[in-house]
Amino acid sequence: QKEVEQDPGPLSVPEGAIVSLNCTYSNSAFQYFMWYRQYSRKGPELLMYTYSSGNKEDGRFTAQVDKSSKYISLFIRDSQPSDSATYLCAMISGGSNYKLTFGKGTLLTVNP
Amino acid sequence: GAGVSQSPSNKVTEKGKDVELRCDPISGHTALYWYRQSLGQGLEFLIYFQGNSAPDKSGLPSDRFSAERTGGSVSTLTIQRTQQEDSAVYLCASSPYGGRQETQYFGPGTRLLVL
Repeated sequence: QKEVEQDPGPLSVPEGAIVSLNCTYSNSAFQYFMWYRQYSRKGPELLMYTYSSGNKEDGRFTAQVDKSSKYISLFIRDSQPSDSATYLCAMISGGSNYKLTFGKGTLLTVNP
Repeated sequence: GAGVSQSPSNKVTEKGKDVELRCDPISGHTALYWYRQSLGQGLEFLIYFQGNSAPDKSGLPSDRFSAERTGGSVSTLTIQRTQQEDSAVYLCASSPYGGRQETQYFGPGTRLLVL
């Protein structure tokens, strides 16, 4: 079992839909959680960073962490065609300062 | 300002040849990371440099892989005697100091194809 599991999709939604992306993890040492967005043939870019259970909101994006269930989510409201990309969850354990462990990514397409 | 740059963008090589991949981090960033992104495995940590400290090489998949960072700036990832399973996108990232709450800024990657 991989440390971080993420449904690779692909996920296709109409413009304006609410998108839910999820990851589960098995290592309880993970304490810091991130979502990256990666456009085709580009490097990943950080979208959201959280380090506690609960919700964090930034514009149309909401990151949710449930450490008791080892489950994290990213919600995108009013999705736009420009949101079409691969979304990667990533985590850092409390014992590491820098080593990101990634999910495999979910490919999202938002259709106009 | 300029982001992380990597060269070449694409590299096609024959099995058994050596390749060198280059990363120029964001100016002033002391922490530099290499990752590999492949279809089967996703994005995997390879190696980490921070200032003058000994690098963390724990993610390198075999002794055919090595990396160096000269003068605390540019880094080169070398793959010797390339194999077809080395085909992947090699991503470099940098951050100011290497702390866990820092954003790691990624370059566009080098796409390596081993024939």
